[in-house]
Amino acid sequence: GDSVTQMEGPVTLSEEAFLTINCTYTATGYPSLFWYVQYPGEGLQLLLKATKADDKGSNKGFEATYRKETTSFHLEKGSVQVSDSAVYFCALSGRENRDDKIIFGKGTRLHILP
Amino acid sequence: DSGVTQTPKHLITATGQRVTLRCSPRSGDLSVYWYQQSLDQGLQFLIQYYNGEERAKGNILERFSAQQFPDLHSELNLSSLELGDSALYFCASSVGKDTQYFGPGTRLTVL
Repeated sequence: GDSVTQMEGPVTLSEEAFLTINCTYTATGYPSLFWYVQYPGEGLQLLLKATKADDKGSNKGFEATYRKETTSFHLEKGSVQVSDSAVYFCALSGRENRDDKIIFGKGTRLHILP
Repeated sequence: DSGVTQTPKHLITATGQRVTLRCSPRSGDLSVYWYQQSLDQGLQFLIQYYNGEERAKGNILERFSAQQFPDLHSELNLSSLELGDSALYFCASSVGKDTQYFGPGTRLTVL
């Protein structure tokens, strides 16, 4: 079945460092891909999404490109801030099935040090 | 604020008890989804309703059930609770496929 694999954390970086969180997926057809973020004590927020190959999703300085050839959707940010400390989930929504459930990766906890 | 509301925010109960979690979707969204987030299992899809009808089932235990009412709000019923049911329960809503908007969650603690 469909699945998402993302790098295990925690990831600890200094402020203004470059961030990459790797994500690969297995799915039939052309799923939609997402990054969700969960700040401490809060629910999940959609960070960005891409719905077809070569699409780039971007928001709040984060970006990710839908790579069909490598089945990847890596999250990047050029200069992280302390306020980016959170758990990041890569996810997909399959288009082949009748249901619309989202399949999540296990999450990557990010700590940014001032 | 996603526009999805969930009540209560916290729930503490004992083993063997039954609880009801409530979710109000964003205005206009016909689909409601329930997810469970626990430390060992991560985020898991439980069940989806679309305009009052069950559309998909995931890893939902037989002790758990849900429904969606004519006003589109949804309730998740958890019965014969066990310690392992302690988790964060999220509701999400969407218009159709793709983007789902999540509520703030209900933290259930079973003692």
